[in-house]
Order: sequence, then structure tokens, then C-alpha cells
Amino acid sequence: DVKVTQSSRYLVKRTGEKVFLECVQDMDHENMFWYRQDPGLGLRLIYFSYDVKMKEKGDIPEGYSVSREKKERFSLILESASTNQTSMYLCASSLSTWGTEAFFGQGTRLTVV
Amino acid sequence: SQQGEEDPQALSIQEGENATMNCSYKTSINNLQWYRQNSGRGLVHLILIRSNEREKHSGRLRVTLDTSKKSSSLLITASRAADTASYFCATEATQKLVFGKGTKLTVNP
Repeated sequence: DVKVTQSSRYLVKRTGEKVFLECVQDMDHENMFWYRQDPGLGLRLIYFSYDVKMKEKGDIPEGYSVSREKKERFSLILESASTNQTSMYLCASSLSTWGTEAFFGQGTRLTVV
Repeated sequence: SQQGEEDPQALSIQEGENATMNCSYKTSINNLQWYRQNSGRGLVHLILIRSNEREKHSGRLRVTLDTSKKSSSLLITASRAADTASYFCATEATQKLVFGKGTKLTVNP
């Protein structure tokens, strides 16, 4: 079974802190994605990566950065956390871009206080 | 910007009834996918339909795609209480997988 693992299920951070959300997949997938999910807004794409060291902005990249130094790991970085970044963060991976399903992690519920 | 928009936002039915959810999108796509999310969890892939396909079945699921109308529908037949979840459509184009806001389905026993 494909497994996508997010490092934390729940996280509480203070405003201004630098926050790292880690995601690891074990199926040698090319693509990895970070989404945030908010009530009434669905899933919004923050960043995605289609290869090691490659990244593309999604629809809401402001206030975030990403790192993909190894194929299996995709990190989301909140440079200076703010309360409006309180959300559920979902990581996903897929084998390739064209016509393959995405596998999701269990999500990280981040609260910024 | 979100590509897909699901309709209705919420749907409540009785066990045994059929549930139909619709998805509309704006631009050309390579394929469209449907996912399910149980409360507070990650999403699970249900079915993928390519842009050159019109209909696809998987168990109790039936998906249609009309590229001329830029719309898709997901039909769940003979629903069960365990089908209670949020359902999302996702469109794939230009290397992105973009989701809609979802339909919240409640199946009452």
C-alpha cells in the first residue's frame, strides 16, 4: 500500500515562529502536493513539485515556501506563522502528472496562536 | 482559483436511496477525479475519468463526463450510512491537481 505520512497530526505554534511541516511518501512518486483545507473553501493548492528540487506555485503560495531535496520528502515551510495560517494542511503524492490518482496523508491541523 | 465547483454543497438522503453530485469546471482538462473524505481525515481516491471518456463505473459508483458542458456527475447507488462523507472533484491540467469545495453527503439510517 502507498503510504503518505505527515510528521504531525496536530500542531500549535506561536505567531512569528518558523514552522516546518514534513511529508514523506514511500512509493517513489514523482509528484508531491501541499494543500490547505478551510471550511467552505475546500482544498486550495499551495505548492507542488514534479521532481527533486523542482517546485511550482499553486493558487495560494504567499507566506509559504517548500523544499524537496529528496524524492520521498516534501516540506512546507511557514516563514513567519500568522493566525490566518491556522488550517488543516494536506500533503499528497502521485506517480506522475498525467492521469494517476493522488494519495493523501492524514493531514496536519495547525493552530497559530 | 478553484477549477471545480460541486453542487449541491450539502445533500441528505435515506439509506438505500441514490445520491447524485455534480461538478462543473472552467478550462480544458486531461482528466477528472473524484475523492471522498471522511470527517477530519485525508482524501481517498474513488475514480478517474479521462477527457476522452464519457462514463465510468466502479462498484456502486457511476461517473459521467461531458466535456462540451465542462461538467461531471458522480452517482452513488443504494447508499449506505458508511457513505456519509464529503466528496470532491479534482481536475488535472497543466501538471496541477485542483480541487473544488466539495459536497457534504449525509446518509441517514
